[in-house]
Amino acid sequence: GDSVTQMEGPVTLSEEAFLTINCTYTATGYPSLFWYVQYPGEGLQLLLKATKADDKGSNKGFEATYRKETTSFHLEKGSVQVSDSAVYFCALITDQAGTALIFGKGTTLSVSS
Amino acid sequence: DARVTQTPRHKVTEMGQEVTMRCQPILGHNTVFWYRQTMMQGLELLAYFRNRAPLDDSGMPKDRFSAEMPDATLATLKIQPSEPRDSAVYFCASGPRQVHSGNTIYFGEGSWLTVV
Repeated sequence: GDSVTQMEGPVTLSEEAFLTINCTYTATGYPSLFWYVQYPGEGLQLLLKATKADDKGSNKGFEATYRKETTSFHLEKGSVQVSDSAVYFCALITDQAGTALIFGKGTTLSVSS
Repeated sequence: DARVTQTPRHKVTEMGQEVTMRCQPILGHNTVFWYRQTMMQGLELLAYFRNRAPLDDSGMPKDRFSAEMPDATLATLKIQPSEPRDSAVYFCASGPRQVHSGNTIYFGEGSWLTVV
């Protein structure tokens, strides 16, 4: 079945460090890919998305490129801030009607000053 | 600012009691999801509605859980009787037609349930 695999956390970085959170997927059909972020005590917010191969999603300094050849959608940010500390979820939805968003397990990011 | 609204935000209840969680999807959205989040299992899909009709509730324990959409502005998730293992955060999410084309799905802030 369809699935999303994220790197295990927690990821601990110093402020201004470079961030990569790996995400790979398995899907039938042609999925759309998403990164959601969850701050402590809050719900999930869409961070960025890409709907077809080679698309790059970007928002708030974060980027991810839809790589069909490697079935990946890695999240990157060039310089993290303390305020980026949160849990990041990679997710997909396929183009098959009746399927829902499928999430990875989430990666906790902790940024210290 | 359109958003998904969930009530209650927090609920503590005793084992055996009925719990009802409510969700108001974004106006005009015809697709509604219920997810459960726990430390052990992460985000699990419980139920999925389109145009108020259930499309998939295979992730929901049928003996105690039920999900409905009485109308287009209200989705409910009920647990009866509740058990301590139901303690989790329950998220409602809604999306417009054609979510499978990559349209954004929006999440509520969750109902944080503790069953003691």
